[in-house]
Amino acid sequence: DAKTTQPNSMESNEEEPVHLPCNHSTISGTDYIHWYRQLPSQGPEYVIHGLTSNVNNRMASLAIAEDRKSSTLILHRATLRDAAVYYCILRAAYNTDKLIFGTGTRLQVFP
Amino acid sequence: DTGVSQNPRHKITKRGQNVTFRCDPISEHNRLYWYRQTLGQGPEFLTYFQNEAQLEKSRLLSDRFSAERPKGSFSTLEIQRTEQGDSAMYLCASSPDRGRGGGQPQHFGDGTRLSIL
Repeated sequence: DAKTTQPNSMESNEEEPVHLPCNHSTISGTDYIHWYRQLPSQGPEYVIHGLTSNVNNRMASLAIAEDRKSSTLILHRATLRDAAVYYCILRAAYNTDKLIFGTGTRLQVFP
Repeated sequence: DTGVSQNPRHKITKRGQNVTFRCDPISEHNRLYWYRQTLGQGPEFLTYFQNEAQLEKSRLLSDRFSAERPKGSFSTLEIQRTEQGDSAMYLCASSPDRGRGGGQPQHFGDGTRLSIL
C-alpha cells in the first residue's frame, strides 16, 4: 500500500489561505489522490480528489505536482469550522476500494 | 438523504461480552465499509461489501469479528468475547458503485464508540 507523509500539525488565522502539503513519493501511475477531513467527534468527510490535473470544488483546491510525488490541499479562506484533521490518501484505481488513512495533519484556526 | 446512521453511538461493556453494531447506509448506496479508529490515529479499514457480498477483509478482522449485510441494505458488525484492545470508534461508510477512475467518495457515519471495562 502506497504511503503518504503529512506534517502532524499546522496553524492558520481565520480568513487566511491554508496550504496543507502531502508527500507520496511511492505513488503508482493509477493511484488517485484523495483528501478527507475529520472534525472533532465526527466521522471523516470527503473534501476533494484528483489524478494529475489540479482540481477545484466548493470546499477546496487540490494542486498536484507534475511528477505526482506530492500534492497540496488549499483552503482559500480558513474559517473556525475548518479546524480538523486532514488526511491525504492514495486510492488504488483497481483491485481494492479501501481507504488507507495515515495520522493526518491537525489544522488549528485562530480567530 | 439522511446520511449514514450508526447505532448505538456509545457502547460500554465488560470484557468477554459480545457486542453488535448496526449501520444504515445512504439509501441506494451499494457499497458499505467498516473502519476502526483508536485515539490519535486515522481510521483503519476492516471490511467492505458490494450489496450483500463481502469483497475484502483486513487482517485486523480476527475470527472474533464478523460483519454481515444480509439484504444488501443495513449491515451489522459483531465482536465476540471482547478484549480491552477492542476499545475504539467503529466507523461505517457507504458509497455508490465505484464507477470509473478515482472512485466515488465514501460517506461516513459518526461512529459507535466502544469502551471495554
